[in-house]
Amino acid sequence: AQKITQTQPGMFVQEKEAVTLDCTYDTSDPSYGLFWYKQPSSGEMIFLIYQGSYDQQNATEGRYSLNFQKARKSANLVISASQLGDSAMYFCAMRGINTDKLIFGTGTRLQVFP
Amino acid sequence: EAQVTQNPRYLITVTGKKLTVTCSQNMNHEYMSWYRQDPGLGLRQIYYSMNVEVTDKGDVPEGYKVSRKEKRNFPLILESPSPNQTSLYFCASSLSSAGVGTDTQYFGPGTRLTVL
Repeated sequence: AQKITQTQPGMFVQEKEAVTLDCTYDTSDPSYGLFWYKQPSSGEMIFLIYQGSYDQQNATEGRYSLNFQKARKSANLVISASQLGDSAMYFCAMRGINTDKLIFGTGTRLQVFP
Repeated sequence: EAQVTQNPRYLITVTGKKLTVTCSQNMNHEYMSWYRQDPGLGLRQIYYSMNVEVTDKGDVPEGYKVSRKEKRNFPLILESPSPNQTSLYFCASSLSSAGVGTDTQYFGPGTRLTVL
């Protein structure tokens, strides 16, 4: 069975500080992709970053980076220099090569304060 | 602009009144999917489609129907809505059906449905 676990229901971070949102996964697929999405209060799902299971380097997209530790089955999202606009729900998701859907975690609500 | 659109964005209806939520993408994507989002449960897949005329059940298909007559459109049909279908619904699409690679799923803006 495939599963995504996000153990932090909520996180607080001060503006301009870095924050790490945790994500662990479980899969038997030999190849898979890991994704992070942001959901602001307006409700839309915004794609942030992708990591392939065979990628040698950790993915980065601007202030977002993915700390991928394959042996530990973790794919943590690191947001550097947090901004007030980063306040949102963040979802970790996975899609295996042998599956036809994204599996989502339950999300982490990030609050950035001045 | 490449996008996934959904209509309506908000809908309040009554039990048993058939409704359709439309979804359209302009990216020539093969794969389309419907999810519902409920507090504490994350997103769960309702139905998905690998291509035209190819649809299959996701994790929570009961009470829903879909069709894929054209590549760009993937409507979600609730034949007889019930209050437990009150939820936030998302349509998503990705380029291909097979493999992973950078096959990112792009989401529509969501449809907030309330069934009284």
